[in-house]
Amino acid sequence: EAQVTQNPRYLITVTGKKLTVTCSQNMNHEYMSWYRQDPGLGLRQIYYSMNVEVTDKGDVPEGYKVSRKEKRNFPLILESPSPNQTSLYFCASSPDILYEQYFGPGTRLTVT
Amino acid sequence: GQNIDQPTEMTATEGAIVQINCTYQTSGFNGLFWYQQHAGEAPTFLSYNVLDGLEEKGRFSSFLSRSKGYSYLLLKELQMKDSASYLCAVRSPGTYKYIFGTGTRLKVLA
Repeated sequence: EAQVTQNPRYLITVTGKKLTVTCSQNMNHEYMSWYRQDPGLGLRQIYYSMNVEVTDKGDVPEGYKVSRKEKRNFPLILESPSPNQTSLYFCASSPDILYEQYFGPGTRLTVT
Repeated sequence: GQNIDQPTEMTATEGAIVQINCTYQTSGFNGLFWYQQHAGEAPTFLSYNVLDGLEEKGRFSSFLSRSKGYSYLLLKELQMKDSASYLCAVRSPGTYKYIFGTGTRLKVLA
C-alpha cells in the first residue's frame, strides 16, 4: 500500500531531551516536507527536501533539524525541545514540487 | 511574502451547496491546491488549479481566477461526512516552499 508513515504517533517528553520523529514513504517520491499544525495558525512548513542530500528551510525552521540520506526517509530532529514546540506534526511527500502532497498520519508532540 | 486568506468557519445544511473562498497574492503564482482535513486526521488532496476556470470532480469543483488572486471550492449535495476543514495552499513565489491558509472549518447540519 502506498503510504507515508510517521513514528511515534504520540510523544510526551521534557524540555531539553533530544528526540527524533521518523518519516518514511514507499512511493519513490522526490519531494518531502515537514509541517506543524497549531490552532489558529494552520499548517506551517518547517523544512523540505527536493531530493537526497538536498534540504532547505520552510517558514518555521528554528529549533529543528532534518536530514535526507535516503530517498524514502526524512527524519525530523529536535535537539533541545521546548514547550513552544508542542504541536501536531505532519510529514508529507510528493512526486515533485508540481504535484499534490501525501500526508502521514501525524505525530502529536507534547513538551513539558 | 505570500499571504492566503480563507474564512474561519462556515455552516451549511445537508443537501445544500457551499462555496469556500480563498484569496492569495498573485505575484509568482504556481498553482493552487485544495485539501480536506477531518478532525484528528491528515490532510488529503482534493484539487489542483493552475489555469483559470472551473475543475469539476464529482460533487466537488474548484475555480481559479489568476488575475484576481481568487479561488473557491464548491461542494454540492452536502453530506454529513463533508464536515471537515478545507485548506487552500500555494507555492511561495520563487521557492519550493508551500504556504497554507489557516483553513475553513465547515459544519454540515442535518
